[in-house]
Amino acid sequence: AQRVTQPEKLLSVFKGAPVELKCNYSYSGSPELFWYVQYSRQRLQLLLRHISRESIKGFTADLNKGETSFHLKKPFAQEEDSAMYYCARLNAGGTSYGKLTFGQGTILTVHP
Amino acid sequence: SAVISQKPSRDICQRGTSLTIQCQVDSQVTMMFWYRQQPGQSLTLIATANQGSEATYESGFVIDKFPISRPNLTFSTLTVSNMSPEDSSIYLCSVDPSYNEQFFGPGTRLTVL
Repeated sequence: AQRVTQPEKLLSVFKGAPVELKCNYSYSGSPELFWYVQYSRQRLQLLLRHISRESIKGFTADLNKGETSFHLKKPFAQEEDSAMYYCARLNAGGTSYGKLTFGQGTILTVHP
Repeated sequence: SAVISQKPSRDICQRGTSLTIQCQVDSQVTMMFWYRQQPGQSLTLIATANQGSEATYESGFVIDKFPISRPNLTFSTLTVSNMSPEDSSIYLCSVDPSYNEQFFGPGTRLTVL
């Protein structure tokens, strides 16, 4: 079974500090990985996907196949970054196509 | 993109009863997904609902407990049957209209007493 692991349930940093949210996945071919975010009182939304190699709201995430990781990073955290972050993997092929497997989520709190 | 609405937004139910959750999308989509998020837990896929065919259930979920309807390309329902307190969760539907990004509904918060 494909697995996504986020080892930190809670992460606290101060405003302006760098932040890294960890995500590891079980190896299987070429994964498609995403980071989803849920701000307080808002619905779950896509933050970024690895295939587009984009930076959204200052966040980046690099796929490291050797370490099977897809950590989310931001050099200078802002208070508005406080949210729940989920790493997710797209299941590809057969009857599993289109399904997402989510990690356990990390609650990020950025203190002023 | 896709905009999804869910009804009800929350409900409190008695054990042994059933609740039907509705999911409406503002565009036609092939696949709709139903997830459960138990308190303090991650999202777990319940089933995939395709229009015109039976829903495909994930391991640990069965049609008798979570019957799903998909009458057209913009609407689906999930019923939580014979509820127990363990069914207290947030239930979310999602769609992936272009096969590269899932859009989620606001969720239905269910409490079973």
